[in-house]
Amino acid sequence: AIQMTQSPSSLSASVGDTVTITCRASQDIRKDLGWYQQKPGKAPKLLIFGASFLQTGVPSRFSGSGSGTDFTLTISSLQPEDFASYYCLQDNNYPWTFGQGTKVEIK
Amino acid sequence: QVQLVESGGGVVQPGKSLRLSCAASGFAFSSYGIHWVRQAPGKGLEWVALIWFDGSKKYYANSVKGRFTISRDSSKVYLQMDGLRVDDTAVYYCAREISYASSWPAYWGQGTLVTVSP
Repeated sequence: AIQMTQSPSSLSASVGDTVTITCRASQDIRKDLGWYQQKPGKAPKLLIFGASFLQTGVPSRFSGSGSGTDFTLTISSLQPEDFASYYCLQDNNYPWTFGQGTKVEIK
Repeated sequence: QVQLVESGGGVVQPGKSLRLSCAASGFAFSSYGIHWVRQAPGKGLEWVALIWFDGSKKYYANSVKGRFTISRDSSKVYLQMDGLRVDDTAVYYCAREISYASSWPAYWGQGTLVTVSP
């Protein structure tokens, strides 16, 4: 199975900061990557698919980039509601696999 | 609107079986694939299984292959879990793919908790 490695596992940031989370695949997955946000006790929410396509209704401060093995989720001008955990997910090959997650906390 | 409701969770002993259900409404159920994703307490997300819109293809995580079976009928998707292990303890979510052209899980239920304990 393809392994997805996220970094960092956690970070502290302030409202208004720009935050970058990376995800590395163990093999080339083209642009077959999505990003999810999850808040405690809630189901995950799809933010980005196809590495860079914003899901309907997701604020434009979220953006994704990358291809091959290296991907990035950027949150510009962090808002209070953005403090959550974030996961990458590859759909290039079955079984699909998530990264281990990144927790974004308030500084 | 799209609604998914999981049920069937509970406490079960190791080695036993449990069947989860995912009831769908608010969309043309037979046109969409459905995923199961789980999350162990305090841990990250783990993709578990996918069934295509017509049930013709099914895919599983390596950790559940041979023990779990995904199926569907006209309005529900099921996850039959046999040979349960302590490390199968998790909240299990079902999720509908974003569109018939893209399998990304985009609409999620609230989850059902499965606890496997001696």
